[in-house]
Amino acid sequence: GNSVTQMEGPVTLSEEAFLTINCTYTATGYPSLFWYVQYPGEGLQLLLKATKADDKGSNKGFEATYRKETTSFHLEKGSVQVSDSAVYFCALKGDAGGTSYGKLTFGQGTILTVHP
Amino acid sequence: DAGITQSPRHKVTETGTPVTLRCHQTENHRYMYWYRQDPGHGLRLIHYSYGVKDTDKGEVSDGYSVSRSKTEDFLLTLESATSSQTSVYFCAINKGQSSSYEQYFGPGTRLTVT
Repeated sequence: GNSVTQMEGPVTLSEEAFLTINCTYTATGYPSLFWYVQYPGEGLQLLLKATKADDKGSNKGFEATYRKETTSFHLEKGSVQVSDSAVYFCALKGDAGGTSYGKLTFGQGTILTVHP
Repeated sequence: DAGITQSPRHKVTETGTPVTLRCHQTENHRYMYWYRQDPGHGLRLIHYSYGVKDTDKGEVSDGYSVSRSKTEDFLLTLESATSSQTSVYFCAINKGQSSSYEQYFGPGTRLTVT
């Protein structure tokens, strides 16, 4: 079946530091890949997505590139802010040609704390 | 804003009691989902629906049932709550075309079973 593995957290950075959160996946076919962010006490918000190999998703200074050869979708940001402190989830949606019904498979989440 | 509300937002209940959580959407989306969120596990799918009266099990469905009698409401029921069902429950819907669905989440329900 499908699976997503994220780097262990928590991750603690100083403001303006470079961020990388690793995400690798296992899936058949051509899945779509997503990053979600969850701020304290809130639900999940879609941060960015990529639907095919070599696509780059980007939003709010965050980027991730769909690398089929390494089955990875690492999240990066060049300069983090205190307001980026949150939990980040990598997720996968199975191949549209299958019977996935749009279900998502999530990684375990990575807690990011950014200090001033 | 995906027009999803969940009720109640917080609930404390005793072991063995039945509990029903409600997810309501205002945009007539076909697909709806229930997930639970637990530390170290991310989100795990409990049940999902692909239309009125059409539902199926996810990866952690034991102890849960669902119903969808109209498009806008998707109910999750714990027939006899156990402490292992203490969690945060999220409802979600899919928006967009089937080849590029994006999933949007409600605000969550924090359930504590004592």
